[in-house]
This record gives sequence, structure tokens and C-alpha cells, in this order.
Amino acid sequence: TQLLEQSPQFLSIQEGENLTVYCNSSSVFSSLQWYRQEPGEGPVLLVTVVTGGEVKKLKRLTFQFGDARKDSSLHITAAQPGDTGLYLCAGAPRGNTDKLIFGTGTRLQVFP
Amino acid sequence: DSGVTQTPKHLITATGQRVTLRCSPRSGDLSVYWYQQSLDQGLQFLIQYYNGEERAKGNILERFSAQQFPDLHSELNLSSLELGDSALYFCASSPFGQRSYEQYFGPGTRLTVT
Repeated sequence: TQLLEQSPQFLSIQEGENLTVYCNSSSVFSSLQWYRQEPGEGPVLLVTVVTGGEVKKLKRLTFQFGDARKDSSLHITAAQPGDTGLYLCAGAPRGNTDKLIFGTGTRLQVFP
Repeated sequence: DSGVTQTPKHLITATGQRVTLRCSPRSGDLSVYWYQQSLDQGLQFLIQYYNGEERAKGNILERFSAQQFPDLHSELNLSSLELGDSALYFCASSPFGQRSYEQYFGPGTRLTVT
């Protein structure tokens, strides 16, 4: 069974701080995505990374795919209260690219 | 707005009843996925349809069934409802081709079983 473990599970920080969320697996994925979900709403796709070692930036968010395509990280610089939400990583297994394995989630709270 | 629509937004029903949740995918997307999200269980994959055919099954109970119609909208039927079925149910769709792994989620249906 392919699993994606996220850490930390919960994170409470002050506005302006930096943070990193990790997404780890023992399996190789052909691609990995990050979603953000706000309470009562559906997950929103933030980014997709496909190549091992790939780094993508989305304003203050930096996403990295591990060289071996087994892990990923999300770094937020100078967090804002608007970044508050549930962050989910999701991987597409090799050979079954239209099915996603979702991570366990990281709940981020940014206080003003 | 992802382009995926789900109805109804909220549903309150009693144990033992049957409900139908409806989903319309983004224009042009052929795949539809259904997920269940409970407070303590995260996002659980239920079932996937592609162009009207069932393509993959996850942790879907026998009391639950789904179908995708020729116009590509999908319905998830939940029967003999139990208290534990209370959850958010999400539908997602994905495009055909190289980016088929990118899923776009609807706003969800919150089901409360009393």
C-alpha cells in the first residue's frame, strides 16, 4: 500500500514566520501535487511537480520534488493569515497516473 | 471556482434513508472521482469513472454506488445510511491526456445523518 506521510500534522505560527511542510513516502511517484483546503470547501490545486529535483515557486510558496521522486516539501516565506488552511500533498503512482494517493494533511494556522 | 459543480451543498437525513449526490465535471473533463472526507479520516478515495465506465474503486462500501451518464455528470448513491456516513463528499474531475493526474475539486456536499 502506497502511503504519503505529511509532517508536521499541525502548525500554529505568527504572521511573518517561515515554515516548511514535508511529504514523504517509500514509493516513487510519477508526479506530486499540493492542494490547499479551507474549512467546508474543496481542495484547490496549487502546483504539480513532475521531474525529480524540480523546484516551483508560487509567490511566497516554494515547492520541491525530491531527486528520487519519493518526497516533496512546501516552504512558505513570511506566512500570512490568508495562508491558513489544510495543506495536502497527493502523488500519482507510476503506471496509474490518473489515480492520486493523498497525504495525511498538515493543518496550518497563521495568527496575525 | 474550479468549474466542478456539486449539488446539494448540504443534506440532512435520517438513518436508513437513501440519498443521491450529483456532480458535473469541468467542461471537457472525462474522469470523475468521488471522495469522502470525515473529520478524523482525511480524504478517502471512493470511486473513479472515465467516460461513463468505472475505472477504479477505493474504499467504497457496498451500500454506496455511483454512475457516470452520457453527458458526463455523475451521481453517488448512498443507501441504508448510518450515523458514520456523515461527512463531506467531494467530486473531482481531471482532463484526458498528459495532465490526467491533476484533479479539480467541487465545493462538496455536507451530509449529516441523524
